Amino acid sequence: SAVISQKPSRDICQRGTSLTIQCQVDSQVTMMFWYRQQPGQSLTLIATANQGSEATYESGFVIDKFPISRPNLTFSTLTVSNMSPEDSSIYLCSVVVSGGGDTQYFGPGTRLTVL
Amino acid sequence: GDSVTQMEGPVTLSEEAFLTINCTYTATGYPSLFWYVQYPGEGLQLLLKATKADDKGSNKGFEATYRKETTSFHLEKGSVQVSDSAVYFCALSDHEDDKIIFGKGTRLHILP
Repeated sequence: SAVISQKPSRDICQRGTSLTIQCQVDSQVTMMFWYRQQPGQSLTLIATANQGSEATYESGFVIDKFPISRPNLTFSTLTVSNMSPEDSSIYLCSVVVSGGGDTQYFGPGTRLTVL
Repeated sequence: GDSVTQMEGPVTLSEEAFLTINCTYTATGYPSLFWYVQYPGEGLQLLLKATKADDKGSNKGFEATYRKETTSFHLEKGSVQVSDSAVYFCALSDHEDDKIIFGKGTRLHILP
C-alpha cells in the first residue's frame, strides 16, 4: 500500500476564487488520479495526472477549470478554478503503487465548501 | 461499457446481525473487483479485493467471492458491529488503464 496525504483537509472558499489541493505519496507510484465526490454521491474521475505532461481529462472536465500538475512520481496538485457553490465536494487523489497490480489507494480527501 | 450496480441503501441492521450487500457488474473482460469503505468524514479505504474468478477477498470479518457465472461480488459479514457503520462501494478495474468504476455506494447503519 501507500501513505497518501492531502492538503488542505478542508476549506471554505468564496465564489470566484481558486483553490489548489496537494497530494503527496510516500512511495513511487505508477498512476495518480483525481476524483470528485459530490455530497451523498459516488466518486467521479476527474483526470489522470501524468508525470511531466498534461493530465488526461474525463468527459465533462476541462483543464481550464481543473488544472493539474504532476512534477514527479510522488506529488500532484489539483486546482479548482473560478469556484462556484456547485464545486462544493470532496476531492480525492488516488494512486496505483508500483508492483501493486491495479489496486488504487486513496488519500483522505479535501472537503471543499464554496459560499 | 463497464458498470457496477450495488444495492441501494440505507441498510439498517442491529449489532451482531448478518450482513449482505449485493453487487453485480458488467465488463467485457476479466476485471479485478474491489470493495472500498468510507467511514464518516474520511476518505476511501480498500476493504478487500479479488482478481480472478472464484477468488475470495477477506478483511476485518468481511468476505466477498468473485462469481464470474453470476457476475457478482456480494459483500458479507457474519456479525456486524456499530463500528462498521459506513458507506461501502463496490468497484471494478478493467486492467486497460487502471481506471476504477465505482458503484453508487451503500450506506450501512448499525444500531447498538
